[in-house]
Amino acid sequence: DQQVKQNSPSLSVQEGRISILNCDYTNSMFDYFLWYKKYPAEGPTFLISISSIKDKNEDGRFTVFLNKSAKHLSLHIVPSQPGDSAVYFCAVEMNSGYALNFGKGTSLLVTP
Amino acid sequence: ETGVTQSPTHLIKTRGQQVTLRCSSQSGHNTVSWYQQALGQGPQFIFQYYREEENGRGNFPPRFSGLQFPNYSSELNVNALELDDSALYLCASSLRYREPDYGYTFGSGTRLTVV
Repeated sequence: DQQVKQNSPSLSVQEGRISILNCDYTNSMFDYFLWYKKYPAEGPTFLISISSIKDKNEDGRFTVFLNKSAKHLSLHIVPSQPGDSAVYFCAVEMNSGYALNFGKGTSLLVTP
Repeated sequence: ETGVTQSPTHLIKTRGQQVTLRCSSQSGHNTVSWYQQALGQGPQFIFQYYREEENGRGNFPPRFSGLQFPNYSSELNVNALELDDSALYLCASSLRYREPDYGYTFGSGTRLTVV
């Protein structure tokens, strides 16, 4: 039973535009929400996270929005760059330090 | 600061065999988690080790077992390999009770193929 859903397997965006990656979750007890980026032949790299007590967290070009009532999470990348082309995973955890529950990922392609 | 290293990078085994995968955690980290990533899927949690003891387990059968050593490195053992065990196995290290905005550090993984 998939507790974290990334319904878009792929997304293509032009360089300089905004990329929006979406994630839905089912369990309102999750405490932390994280985004990871993965290049081929590498492990996932932590990108940004947000606590359930916040609704927005920003780090440079990356912003994560949390809508608890809709159980929805999104990652905005502005402006998008070709180096952002990777698979992005949404992950949730019940408490800090415990298991991560990942979505299936969204493959982002940023074209020049 | 060294990252997480996993060995071997690739492995081919025959159905029914046993395999051991290894992981050296990032310096300063005391918790190791293992994940299985099948093709087209997100990583699935196998188990976590803290202070050399299993500290949580996902929906994997007992033939998946592990160890954590005093230097926080870890092994994942899989017995009686099945074709469906073919996947990328990822090791992730972290600090127990870490700050929530400090994510896990993943290794590059071991690609296991069972034939």
